[in-house]
Amino acid sequence: ETGVTQTPRHLVMGMTNKKSLKCEQHLGHNAMYWYKQSAKKPLELMFVYNFKEQTENNSVPSRFSPECPNSSHLFLHLHTLQPEDSALYLCASSQEGRIGTDTQYFGPGTRLTVL
Amino acid sequence: GQQLNQSPQSMFIQEGEDVSMNCTSSSIFNTWLWYKQDPGEGPVLLIALYKAGELTSNGRLTAQFGITRKDSFLNISASIPSDVGIYFCAGQLRDNYGQNFVFGPGTRLSVLP
Repeated sequence: ETGVTQTPRHLVMGMTNKKSLKCEQHLGHNAMYWYKQSAKKPLELMFVYNFKEQTENNSVPSRFSPECPNSSHLFLHLHTLQPEDSALYLCASSQEGRIGTDTQYFGPGTRLTVL
Repeated sequence: GQQLNQSPQSMFIQEGEDVSMNCTSSSIFNTWLWYKQDPGEGPVLLIALYKAGELTSNGRLTAQFGITRKDSFLNISASIPSDVGIYFCAGQLRDNYGQNFVFGPGTRLSVLP
């Protein structure tokens, strides 16, 4: 248990569906992150939120829409996804969003399959 | 962008053997992290290194931050079956020009009984 939980753990959706991934951290951290992990590729940073403000968006397609209502919760809203978006989506948190000095703690991930 | 290389990509070892893996980059970092990921789970932090030359242990694991700041290695002594998984290194750099956080592709470890 790292103190970061993600739901659902598994999700299968069609390309026309709309779904949301949820992440919650119980560590009192101020920064949260979304990563994509595809087979045989390094972890890819998607979004960074620091004190509820988005500070990084690594050229992620608009079909992925993050939302951070408070420092403990992070959502990733999905719509009109493509099969190549199938991957493990990982959430992480750290004390502050200072990439380079803060250690990140990961949740277990949501395994997404897009049909 | 910056990339990390990990070697070996995969390895099969006998239970009880020692393991060594490394992570290299053409760029310097000021923090190196080692994570382990079990199937169906997120990466779990094993060791964090913050200073060039630093050698840190966590139980049977030992990691070192290379003097050049461009590499790091992880050693596992007396491997056991639960050491099976994928080991990722990650480099973090924050300087006056910006910030960067990069993961390596991972080393997949299999332990044979």
